[in-house]
Amino acid sequence: GAGVSQSPSNKVTEKGKDVELRCDPISGHTALYWYRQRLGQGLEFLIYFQGNSAPDKSGLPSDRFSAERTGESVSTLTIQRTQQEDSAVYLCASSTRDGPGIYGYTFGSGTRLTVV
Amino acid sequence: GNSVTQMEGPVTLSEEAFLTINCTYTATGYPSLFWYVQYPGEGLQLLLKATKADDKGSNKGFEATYRKETTSFHLEKGSVQVSDSAVYFCASYNFNKFYFGSGTKLNVKP
Repeated sequence: GAGVSQSPSNKVTEKGKDVELRCDPISGHTALYWYRQRLGQGLEFLIYFQGNSAPDKSGLPSDRFSAERTGESVSTLTIQRTQQEDSAVYLCASSTRDGPGIYGYTFGSGTRLTVV
Repeated sequence: GNSVTQMEGPVTLSEEAFLTINCTYTATGYPSLFWYVQYPGEGLQLLLKATKADDKGSNKGFEATYRKETTSFHLEKGSVQVSDSAVYFCASYNFNKFYFGSGTKLNVKP
């Protein structure tokens, strides 16, 4: 597509429920990143996919968080047994393999998750 | 290690005032440096970038110069507009990863 698309744009869920967030990267972008942005704070790296290589999961805050990506297409971020501290905007970004250092990322508009 | 520190906000200015948002970085090696802007209700957009020392990035009247000697990448604009009100993020890119500052909110009043 023309841009990075994320869905849903807003999600309200009850504490303890599981949620799935979706990201559609720009076609042809091999690299895909997930970040978390808590209210009034900066971006926190979660996970990075590059083509078919093993993902860099070093930023996932707990084993309740997981993400999948098949090839160079859609990615889903799953949060199990949500907690109130999971409330944040979850941002997805994509880039070409060698692009980030030169062109930066292209970000989606994010999914605002509220755990009540 | 790698990190980015930027001045805390919010910064409130009148229209046509001069803007500076300070940003410093720590890095192993020589990162690329970026400024991103986030308008209310939207995702982050790339504003400008510099990939090596002494490079100047510029866009929409904003400028920033990559200063290796002071490890800085301060954002400047000579005359801000109300439409510049947003959150600005400084970032470095090194070893396949971006490191973002905490963001600086800019409010421009008419």
